[in-house]
Amino acid sequence: KAGVTQTPRYLIKTRGQQVTLSCSPISGHRSVSWYQQTPGQGLQFLFEYFSETQRNKGNFPGRFSGRQFSNSRSEMNVSTLELGDSALYLCASSQVPAGANVLTFGAGSRLTVL
Amino acid sequence: QKEVEQDPGPLSVPEGAIVSLNCTYSNSAFQYFMWYRQYSRKGPELLMYTYSSGNKEDGRFTAQVDKSSKYISLFIRDSQPSDSATYLCAMEGSGAGSYQLTFGKGTKLSVIP
Repeated sequence: KAGVTQTPRYLIKTRGQQVTLSCSPISGHRSVSWYQQTPGQGLQFLFEYFSETQRNKGNFPGRFSGRQFSNSRSEMNVSTLELGDSALYLCASSQVPAGANVLTFGAGSRLTVL
Repeated sequence: QKEVEQDPGPLSVPEGAIVSLNCTYSNSAFQYFMWYRQYSRKGPELLMYTYSSGNKEDGRFTAQVDKSSKYISLFIRDSQPSDSATYLCAMEGSGAGSYQLTFGKGTKLSVIP
């Protein structure tokens, strides 16, 4: 069974540009979450989607957005990049069983903003 | 005060030692408690999850939750060099806190052969 696939794995952008990251969840998983991981702040929740609807959103500026498609694949976009956006962006999928939202993470997309 | 506090370490132990990893939290709404392990250049992988207070054992790993003290622990028995990784505690609430995990910053563990 294939895991969570994130593309691209590494990318370098300059300040002011925008970036789109892609995530393919495990087959049959309908929930996709995004997290930002930095050495200073650790893992921080960005947003969660289920059946193309955003159900929860973390405390990030509006430059961070996402969407989910009908096949459960998801993308996140960061516009007007800032140096502080350099981070590992992790996507995770879940079957959303009753109870805990047990996540399976991808390997992440490492973004460097110069 | 952050919602979840975790000692970042690093923690270095000899092979075969018992390792104790801990997190404290302040949000009483947390109901689900998880431990993830993250190897370098990889995404976190779930080790264990528990609901409410009590103990849960899986092989060499034991998770404990004490909701009255807002304290959770992960014990690793007979630690192996392959256990060297960063360990992250994570918690989830209900209602408005559903569908998002709040993570500790992680404890970096090295098991020395």
